[in-house]
Amino acid sequence: DGGITQSPKYLFRKEGQNVTLSCEQNLNHDAMYWYRQDPGQGLRLIYYSQIVNDFQKGDIAEGYSVSREKKESFPLTVTSAQKNPTAFYLCASSPQGTNEKLFFGSGTQLSVL
Amino acid sequence: GENVEQHPSTLSVQEGDSAVIKCTYSDSASNYFPWYKQELGKGPQLIIDIRSNVGEKKDQRIAVTLNKTAKHFSLHITETQPEDSAVYFCAVSKNSGYSTLTFGKGTMLLVSP
Repeated sequence: DGGITQSPKYLFRKEGQNVTLSCEQNLNHDAMYWYRQDPGQGLRLIYYSQIVNDFQKGDIAEGYSVSREKKESFPLTVTSAQKNPTAFYLCASSPQGTNEKLFFGSGTQLSVL
Repeated sequence: GENVEQHPSTLSVQEGDSAVIKCTYSDSASNYFPWYKQELGKGPQLIIDIRSNVGEKKDQRIAVTLNKTAKHFSLHITETQPEDSAVYFCAVSKNSGYSTLTFGKGTMLLVSP
């Protein structure tokens, strides 16, 4: 089955620790995205990548980093500089040349210990 | 940047009733308007979308209408069923360069049997 796989489903971070959220897709999509979702809020864009080895900051990139070494993978690192990391993180992808028709993963819930 | 307002934040209806969710946007250059449905613990899923050259689009029990002059668009769900209970998000983008989606804050729809 084609789709987007996010792991882990739940993740806990200690103070001062960096953590990495995994996102893998087998849809052969060029573009990938990371969104943050807080209760009662919409989806806010953290980073996105249109092609391999290229990515752009979204609206709330501070305290996060990404890489795009492979078309299928777009991991997100939540660094210790992100002071309020507790949120639901969603990865998405879309076909070549469009930001439309996003396909989302099932998300990772990150909490701070 | 683009500003998207979504109302209401919560909506409770009886099974069989209709439900309407409305979004307003600020950028008159916006031309793509999708709606996503998010079930508990899952990622959002695209359910219907419309472009600015179309005033209305329907897919079985769901429809979207667009008023470009007033800069608002609405999701209509008829004959609601308990499985329609979810959080619904509107989004907006414009086809200039590589514009990303801006999401509304979501509407929690509860359909009671």
